[in-house]
Amino acid sequence: DAGVIQSPRHEVTEMGQEVTLRCKPISGHNSLFWYRQTMMRGLELLIYFNNNVPIDDSGMPEDRFSAKMPNASFSTLKIQPSEPRDSAVYFCASSMDPSGNTIYFGEGSWLTVV
Amino acid sequence: EDQVTQSPEALRLQEGESSSLNCSYTVSGLRGLFWYRQDPGKGPEFLFTLYSAGEEKEKERLKATLTKKESFLHITAPKPEDSATYLCAVVKGRDDKIIFGKGTRLHILP
Repeated sequence: DAGVIQSPRHEVTEMGQEVTLRCKPISGHNSLFWYRQTMMRGLELLIYFNNNVPIDDSGMPEDRFSAKMPNASFSTLKIQPSEPRDSAVYFCASSMDPSGNTIYFGEGSWLTVV
Repeated sequence: EDQVTQSPEALRLQEGESSSLNCSYTVSGLRGLFWYRQDPGKGPEFLFTLYSAGEEKEKERLKATLTKKESFLHITAPKPEDSATYLCAVVKGRDDKIIFGKGTRLHILP
């Protein structure tokens, strides 16, 4: 059974460029989460979807960040324009529903903005 | 303010030296507490969920316990392969918000 699948695994891009991170959640899971992890701040929730609908995007740092979930098996996190301070590991995760069920994480997308 | 604090930040133990990691939380309406293990370059891997004070869960050399204010992850006779970062997360209140601690980096020396 495939877990949460993220792409790309690693990305190095120049400041100002658009970055798109992709996620395929576990089949049958209703909730999808995007997290950002840095040494300084740890794991931060950016946004989560339930049944493809964004429920809480209060963690999205600013308008440069946007997330979509067009269907139950795909989500994107876009940064436009990217800045060096966006460098981090971005994790996608999914669960059966948000009410305390186990959240399963992908392997992460390592983003470096130079 | 809702907070999850893990201590210590880092811990070095000799193989076989038992110890405990702490996760203290101040959240309204705790609905569950998770422990995860994260290896370098990997996503967090689920270990345990605890829902109520007094609950305990065990898996191999790990045992997680929960009180009304904190959780402990006890590691008994650890091995080098137990070296990882251990993350605690809580699910709170009506909004099911999930808050992670910053983790404890555990290093077991052979």
